[in-house]
Amino acid sequence: DTGVSQDPRHKITKRGQNVTFRCDPISEHNRLYWYRQTLGQGPEFLTYFQNEAQLEKSRLLSDRFSAERPKGSFSTLEIQRTEQGDSAMYLCASSLVAQGVTEAFFGQGTRLTVV
Amino acid sequence: GQNIDQPTEMTATEGAIVQINCTYQTSGFNGLFWYQQHAGEAPTFLSYNVLDGLEEKGRFSSFLSRSKGYSYLLLKELQMKDSASYLCAALDSNTGGFKTIFGAGTRLFVKA
Repeated sequence: DTGVSQDPRHKITKRGQNVTFRCDPISEHNRLYWYRQTLGQGPEFLTYFQNEAQLEKSRLLSDRFSAERPKGSFSTLEIQRTEQGDSAMYLCASSLVAQGVTEAFFGQGTRLTVV
Repeated sequence: GQNIDQPTEMTATEGAIVQINCTYQTSGFNGLFWYQQHAGEAPTFLSYNVLDGLEEKGRFSSFLSRSKGYSYLLLKELQMKDSASYLCAALDSNTGGFKTIFGAGTRLFVKA
């Protein structure tokens, strides 16, 4: 396993279109996170899954954003009716939470540009 | 609420030592991470502290004081490749699960 992979790496879309991103975590990891990062800022928490269950979604996240992890493996993040303010780097991370806390491993991200 | 503060930028000289401070406020604190992020790349893990004290790992050390809500990352023998953003992140269990909340990051510039 080569780590967390995200697809696509870059996405340019017109305002109002829907986009979907995919994340494949490290295979044995049971926790998966989505973050959004803009220039000069740290990653902003969006949502996370424990296996296939979505445990929390940020209150800052509008209803246009939805995430799934149907079989507890890969995850998708969909943004409907994109706005220019959605332009950012979308990062996925995974970790193994068992008897203790382990660090999260990040993918390379999907850079979204809404024009 | 949740709040993590760290300086926006720091500059240091190659070969020197630099300390990056972080203060945090979370409702359900369960540990403190430091990540390194080079421009255009994903964050990579540096350290995790859950108990008070200093954790040393090669040129990097991280300190935690839970009572003060304070941590620092110490980088020794600075190299040019250490120029990056350093993200302080708190593990928060306020909602019953665990999620990692990041600060805005400290951009470190290492000059020759």
